[in-house]
Amino acid sequence: QQQVKQSPQSLIVQKGGISIINCAYENTAFDYFPWYQQFPGKGPALLIAIRPDVSEKKEGRFTISFNKSAKQFSLHIMDSQPGDSATYFCAARTSFSFIFGKGTRLLVKP
Amino acid sequence: DVKVTQSSRYLVKRTGEKVFLECVQDMDHENMFWYRQDPGLGLRLIYFSYDVKMKEKGDIPEGYSVSREKKERFSLILESASTNQTSMYLCASSLSGDMNTEAFFGQGTRLTVV
Repeated sequence: QQQVKQSPQSLIVQKGGISIINCAYENTAFDYFPWYQQFPGKGPALLIAIRPDVSEKKEGRFTISFNKSAKQFSLHIMDSQPGDSATYFCAARTSFSFIFGKGTRLLVKP
Repeated sequence: DVKVTQSSRYLVKRTGEKVFLECVQDMDHENMFWYRQDPGLGLRLIYFSYDVKMKEKGDIPEGYSVSREKKERFSLILESASTNQTSMYLCASSLSGDMNTEAFFGQGTRLTVV
């Protein structure tokens, strides 16, 4: 129940395309869902986040879609760029900490 | 600029050694965390601390201990390093309660146990 399942494990997208990463959870006590972006040699950094009372949040080219009844949420990267190539982690907040998905390695081809 | 600093970027230790990984944050955060990152396994929580001298086990605490004597510093200790503890270790910190909306990560320590 303390898991966040993330897919796909890796993703290759052409420049200008849409990248979609999906996550699912079981624990309805999770109350906050951030996405983190990690570049090689760096620690993860917060990209965008959503609370479960909102169905969608958009920040620039990045959008989170949240389906509370299905216990699923996804990250959409519009007009994907080579600079978006990184590892992306979805996460869910527990009482004190964050549970992370296993990560998606995104490669955007020029 | 907020900062979480890990004392070493790279470490090579021998099997059986006692290893200390140090982390310092300058944001006056209540919460501090140690994660381990392995390919295909994501970020797994080893231990966390929500206050000075307080600690809680995460998902994979076996073989590790932690120390938090001051609010800004959180140490991870490998009591007797083993080769299966070769990994990237990430420290993070965050505010508490409903203000806990972002974990700030350090750059990581890549530990190799030989």
